[in-house]
Amino acid sequence: DAGITQSPRYKITETGRQVTLMCHQTWSHSYMFWYRQDLGHGLRLIYYSAAADITDKGEVPDGYVVSRSKTENFPLTLESATRSQTSVYFCASTKGSHPHSPLHFGNGTRLTVT
Amino acid sequence: DQQVKQNSPSLSVQEGRISILNCDYTNSMFDYFLWYKKYPAEGPTFLISISSIKDKNEDGRFTVFLNKSAKHLSLHIVPSQPGDSAVYFCAASQREKPTGANSKLTFGKGITLSVRP
Repeated sequence: DAGITQSPRYKITETGRQVTLMCHQTWSHSYMFWYRQDLGHGLRLIYYSAAADITDKGEVPDGYVVSRSKTENFPLTLESATRSQTSVYFCASTKGSHPHSPLHFGNGTRLTVT
Repeated sequence: DQQVKQNSPSLSVQEGRISILNCDYTNSMFDYFLWYKKYPAEGPTFLISISSIKDKNEDGRFTVFLNKSAKHLSLHIVPSQPGDSAVYFCAASQREKPTGANSKLTFGKGITLSVRP
């Protein structure tokens, strides 16, 4: 089925480990985003990408790295995980061709850093 | 500094009644506003939007009102149904230079709506 999928759905890792969250969309959308959801903060933008090989920082980029070598994939890497990065991570995409194209979200990855 | 504020964390209404969810913003450059609905263990889904050139947009049971002078918008759900119980996020965007796209959204903290049968 077409859509946007995130993997894994759940991940437990230890402080200091590197972990990569995957995001794949089948719509060929230009724009892709990573948000994190935390109690008391709502959804905050980590990084986004307007096209392959074009990425930019969002509101809370520290400690994260992204890449976009292919239009359909937008992995998010925590280089050295910290407890403060325990969160639910959502990937989203949009065509971006229309100025007001809504975002389409994946079902999230719940990450716990111990 | 939070640019999109949803000051009420929760709302409980009786089935069949009206639900009114409020949202305030501080950035006068925002020109497009959206509401997303989120069920547990799922990603947010787009519900309804409004451009800053309008003051009302209606889609079935859902209506969004925008008061630009007050930097305030509200989502009305009439009549409310138990299936509407979810977290509702208000979001806003502004045109990006040079693409003109409005893709990057700023979200509020969300309001948990409970509709009692």
